[in-house]
Amino acid sequence: GDSVTQMEGPVTLSEEAFLTINCTYTATGYPSLFWYVQYPGEGLQLLLKATKADDKGSNKGFEATYRKETTSFHLEKGSVQVSDSAVYFCALSAYNTDKLIFGTGTRLQVFP
Amino acid sequence: EAGVVQSPRYKIIEKKQPVAFWCNPISGHNTLYWYRQNLGQGPELLIRYENEEAVDDSQLPKDRFSAERLKGVDSTLKIQPAELGDSAVYLCASSLRGSVDSPLHFGNGTRLTVT
Repeated sequence: GDSVTQMEGPVTLSEEAFLTINCTYTATGYPSLFWYVQYPGEGLQLLLKATKADDKGSNKGFEATYRKETTSFHLEKGSVQVSDSAVYFCALSAYNTDKLIFGTGTRLQVFP
Repeated sequence: EAGVVQSPRYKIIEKKQPVAFWCNPISGHNTLYWYRQNLGQGPELLIRYENEEAVDDSQLPKDRFSAERLKGVDSTLKIQPAELGDSAVYLCASSLRGSVDSPLHFGNGTRLTVT
């Protein structure tokens, strides 16, 4: 069945460091891909999405590119801030559905 | 706009007891979801409603779990009887319409501990 695999955390970085959180997927057809973020004490929020191959989703300085050839959707940010500390979830929905399948989440800790 | 509201935030019960969770979606959102998130895992869909109709309940353990969405607005998820393995965070989400172009909005969840 469809699945999402993301790198284990925690990822620990200093402020202004470059961030990459890896995400790969297995799916039939052409899924849509998402990154959700969960800040401490808050609910999951959509960070960005891409609905077709080679699309780039971006928001709040984060970006991810839908790579069909490598079945990947890695999350990147050029310069992280302490306020980016959160748990990041990669997710997919199968073509033409809204049922989300999540990865296990990656905790990011950014220190000043 | 007000977000998805869930209550209670925390619940501690003994095994074999019943428990219920309540969700109030964003006004006007027709699609409502219940997810379960085990510790260290991503959320997993339990049930999805389109208005008052459950259109996907394939992952709901129907021997002990039940859900309802009366009048297509608020929803209640019930577990009876609870087991130790039911300890998790139960998340409610809603969307304007059930399509990939309509993002899900999640509540803060109810953390259930079964002792």
